[in-house]
Amino acid sequence: ETGVTQSPTHLIKTRGQQVTLRCSSQSGHNTVSWYQQALGQGPQFIFQYYREEENGRGNFPPRFSGLQFPNYSSELNVNALELDDSALYLCASSFGQGGETQYFGPGTRLLVL
Amino acid sequence: LAKTTQPISMDSYEGQEVNITCSHNNIATNDYITWYQQFPSQGPRFIIQGYKTKVTNEVASLFIPADRKSSTLSLPRVSLSDTAVYYCLVGAYGGATNKLIFGTGTLLAVQP
Repeated sequence: ETGVTQSPTHLIKTRGQQVTLRCSSQSGHNTVSWYQQALGQGPQFIFQYYREEENGRGNFPPRFSGLQFPNYSSELNVNALELDDSALYLCASSFGQGGETQYFGPGTRLLVL
Repeated sequence: LAKTTQPISMDSYEGQEVNITCSHNNIATNDYITWYQQFPSQGPRFIIQGYKTKVTNEVASLFIPADRKSSTLSLPRVSLSDTAVYYCLVGAYGGATNKLIFGTGTLLAVQP
């Protein structure tokens, strides 16, 4: 167990809807990174939050957005859902922005119909 | 970040030692090598990390030759529960963004 929790565990949405996924980081960690993992692929970096500010972004459109709160928990928001957004969404927490080991949560499985 | 190449899949039997090799020809001077393990529908789990020579912990060893263009993850005496996907990643520490770049990984299947 990494101490990183995510909610919900599973979610079903329809195309065009909006979704919010949540992540609680491991105690003592101030950085949260979000990844999208399609079936059969490795995780792809979405963005990272360090001390409540976005600190790097992968190749994802603006409809993917996020927040980090003062307690370092985080949200991932996806607007105008598309079928291809169906995936396992992972968050990982770490201490510091510079490359320390990331600890992953169990993920949220999103299915877009 | 350096691109990595590793076998798509490997088969083994319980009790054997398994070695998974990863190529990273373009590794930079300040890059570290990290391995993660992932079970289906779970988040990746950190296994081991190294910079050069050999690193050992309670679950695995990591061998890195002097040129650092490859690395080998060694799992001693595997069991059925070691069946998983193993990812090799390289990346710099101390950078502005701690972005992990995963490849497709190696699916290790351990049989009785």
